[in-house]
Amino acid sequence: DTGVSQNPRHKITKRGQNVTFRCDPISEHNRLYWYRQTLGQGPEFLTYFQNEAQLEKSRLLSDRFSAERPKGSFSTLEIQRTEQGDSAMYLCASSPRAGDQPQHFGDGTRLSIL
Amino acid sequence: SQQGEEDPQALSIQEGENATMNCSYKTSINNLQWYRQNSGRGLVHLILIRSNEREKHSGRLRVTLDTSKKSSSLLITASRAADTASYFCATGPNSGYSTLTFGKGTMLLVSP
Repeated sequence: DTGVSQNPRHKITKRGQNVTFRCDPISEHNRLYWYRQTLGQGPEFLTYFQNEAQLEKSRLLSDRFSAERPKGSFSTLEIQRTEQGDSAMYLCASSPRAGDQPQHFGDGTRLSIL
Repeated sequence: SQQGEEDPQALSIQEGENATMNCSYKTSINNLQWYRQNSGRGLVHLILIRSNEREKHSGRLRVTLDTSKKSSSLLITASRAADTASYFCATGPNSGYSTLTFGKGTMLLVSP
């Protein structure tokens, strides 16, 4: 299967801890996106990479959040000093570079803050 | 912030019936996309319609776009129990990067 892969699928942590999620996009896709989704809502855009360059960040991405895509392949999303409000599903998606293409989503990482 | 607003929020029908979901948005768009999400899973792309298109078909799906009313509809014909999922519309901006803005979704339940 060459779809978008996210790890871990679930993460439970105590408030104040740091967490890191990983996303492996479809190999030939240049574009990579991170979204956050809370219960009963649609995904909310967090940040976007084209190759290794982070081109756009939402105001939702506070200074506790950082995302990287060092070699233009996989990406990591780190949340420092987690808060209760960070509990959500974190989704990663990728798409080819050319034009406006559909985004292919992974199954997400569900984060629960105790 | 979420641009799209789907209507209804929830829809319950019997197998074989048609399901219609509507989406309204606020700003100019380059394209509008519909996605499906099964419980606990990621989103699956269904169909993309560009701002210069009015209607598009894909299998049992029919999407319309009215840019003057800033609205779109998704019709699923001859629904099946496997169509049970949440459906989201997402808009692509008229300028800037290709990020998407999603609505809150319509939860569709198809009963056998």
